[in-house]
Amino acid sequence: EVQLVESGGGLVKPGGSLRLSCAASGFTFSSYSMNWVRQAPGKGLEWVSSISSSSSYIYYADSVKGRFTISRDNAKNSLYLQMNSLRAEDTAVYYCARDGEAASVDAFDIWGQGTMVTVSS
Amino acid sequence: SSELTQDPAVSVALGQTVRITCQGDSLRSYYASWYQQKPGQAPVLVIYGKNNRPSGIPDRFSGSSSGNTASLTITGAQAEDEADYYCNSRDSSGNHLGVFGGGTKLTVL
Repeated sequence: EVQLVESGGGLVKPGGSLRLSCAASGFTFSSYSMNWVRQAPGKGLEWVSSISSSSSYIYYADSVKGRFTISRDNAKNSLYLQMNSLRAEDTAVYYCARDGEAASVDAFDIWGQGTMVTVSS
Repeated sequence: SSELTQDPAVSVALGQTVRITCQGDSLRSYYASWYQQKPGQAPVLVIYGKNNRPSGIPDRFSGSSSGNTASLTITGAQAEDEADYYCNSRDSSGNHLGVFGGGTKLTVL
């Protein structure tokens, strides 16, 4: 079964750090670009960051640039998001999502269940 | 960066047809994809490309595009189709799928 499972969310104080992980299974992880997408409570979806299959190309939303770092370990079938200098507005459910382009699906074709990040004092 | 615009809310009578639209300059160059999200659940891809449905998505869901507007049509809406729907596209450079619409809340009456 193709699956993405996020972990690492929790409560953190403003200015603090958190590292999210996403474990992939059921597909050749190293062939796909991966993404983080977040959703603040009661709000819409916001793309956060993207990393290509070999980590050669990395992109960030302006709202997180300079504070968040995306990375991956293809040997461990894992995606990461290091979040520093966290702000209240970073409070959201964070989803790991596969870019299906390698399977000729130009979309986020697989999503994890999400992990909640709450930034509050 | 690009932006995609959706109507915040749309309603449809049970069994009728509804169209949800998405507008943006990036849609002149790239197809939109559409995601259904029910409360407390992760988004699910329902339409991608010119008009493609992933396995398991009912054929009452279809997509189309013209100019800077993409549309998701549900023909014969069911109660279980009540959800939020988001469109998505590549950014203007085509480097990533970094552009989402604000979402449309679909109510089935």
